[in-house]
Amino acid sequence: AQSVTQLDSQVPVFEEAPVELRCNYSSSVSVYLFWYVQYPNQGLQLLLKYLSGSTLVKGINGFEAEFNKSQTSFHLRKPSVHISDTAEYFCAVSDMLNSGYSTLTFGKGTMLLVSP
Amino acid sequence: DAGVIQSPRHEVTEMGQEVTLRCKPISGHDYLFWYRQTMMRGLELLIYFNNNVPIDDSGMPEDRFSAKMPNASFSTLKIQPSEPRDSAVYFCASKRTGSGPQHFGDGTRLSIL
Repeated sequence: AQSVTQLDSQVPVFEEAPVELRCNYSSSVSVYLFWYVQYPNQGLQLLLKYLSGSTLVKGINGFEAEFNKSQTSFHLRKPSVHISDTAEYFCAVSDMLNSGYSTLTFGKGTMLLVSP
Repeated sequence: DAGVIQSPRHEVTEMGQEVTLRCKPISGHDYLFWYRQTMMRGLELLIYFNNNVPIDDSGMPEDRFSAKMPNASFSTLKIQPSEPRDSAVYFCASKRTGSGPQHFGDGTRLSIL
């Protein structure tokens, strides 16, 4: 069975500093990878996705992520964060064995706390 | 396009009452998912449908939980009888067949007193 590990439950950072949110996954087959963001009292919103092709994926709000197959990682980065980036971030994986890419396995989330 | 629509946004009820959560998926999406989110357990998949047919309900916690999808534009998640430990945020999501992402509603925050 596949799994997703988000190594940090909370990441505090100052405004305008760079940030990296870590995600590792386990799967024996090819995967699709996603990052979602959840603002307070809202649902999950897609930030970016990796399906195939270039391993560097750019998403909304200035975020990007790099797929590293050998390290089974899909870390999320932003070069300069804003107060408004304070939210919970979820990494998710889907594979062919998982109902034909239909369902997602989510990590437990990382709370990004941006302070002035 | 309208996103996934869930109702109600908030529900507070007493233990033992029946609770019905509603979801309207995005038009044209043939998969629908029900999730539960709690601090302790994170985001859990309860059940999902494909073309209105339940495919996997192994995440449904107990027989008190049931879900239906009578047509392509409507689904319900019912809890009867409700218990305080059912308090959580319940999300509905939908997607098209293929590699596209799931789209989430804003959730229903359920409190069982």
